[in-house]
Amino acid sequence: AQSVTQLDSQVPVFEEAPVELRCNYSSSVSVYLFWYVQYPNQGLQLLLKYLSGSTLVKGINGFEAEFNKSQTSFHLRKPSVHISDTAEYFCAVSDGTSYGKLTFGQGTILTVHP
Amino acid sequence: NAGVTQTPKFQVLKTGQSMTLQCAQDMNHEYMSWYRQDPGMGLRLIHYSVGAGITDQGEVPNGYNVSRSTTEDFPLRLLSAAPSQTSVYFCASSYSGDTLVNSPLHFGNGTRLTVT
Repeated sequence: AQSVTQLDSQVPVFEEAPVELRCNYSSSVSVYLFWYVQYPNQGLQLLLKYLSGSTLVKGINGFEAEFNKSQTSFHLRKPSVHISDTAEYFCAVSDGTSYGKLTFGQGTILTVHP
Repeated sequence: NAGVTQTPKFQVLKTGQSMTLQCAQDMNHEYMSWYRQDPGMGLRLIHYSVGAGITDQGEVPNGYNVSRSTTEDFPLRLLSAAPSQTSVYFCASSYSGDTLVNSPLHFGNGTRLTVT
């Protein structure tokens, strides 16, 4: 069984400050990890994904995430946030089996203040 | 390029009523799925389909039915609505039913359902 825990339900931050959104996972097999973003009144969009290889993954809009197998974490970071980054962010895990299903975390609401 | 289209955007039902949430995609995706989103609980998988004529249950299937008669459409039916089904429902599709790893999910904009 796989599960995902997002450690912060809300993260307020000022514009141009750095941000880290935390995600921990558990899985008994190999994992594939994703971050999705949901802007207000929209569906989710893929931000980035870790499949294999380099543990530092770069995504869209200047976001990056680091896969840490020993810590079972996949934290999302951005060095300088913009007002437009205000959204809800979801971490998700898949065990990659055929017709695998994504398991989503509870979500973290990032609010960027001017 | 419409992507994944969900209708309606909003719906209010009384307890016991039935309705169908529509989902259509124009990307020739094999895999389609329904999630519900509730505050503090993230997204939970209701049902999914790996191709026309094939459906399976997800994490929270009770109270919902699905069918997949065409590649494009994947409607979600509530036979007898209950207040516990008040939620935001998302339809999502993916090109390859083989794995989601190399084929990210494309989401619709959601249907906000309230059951009174």
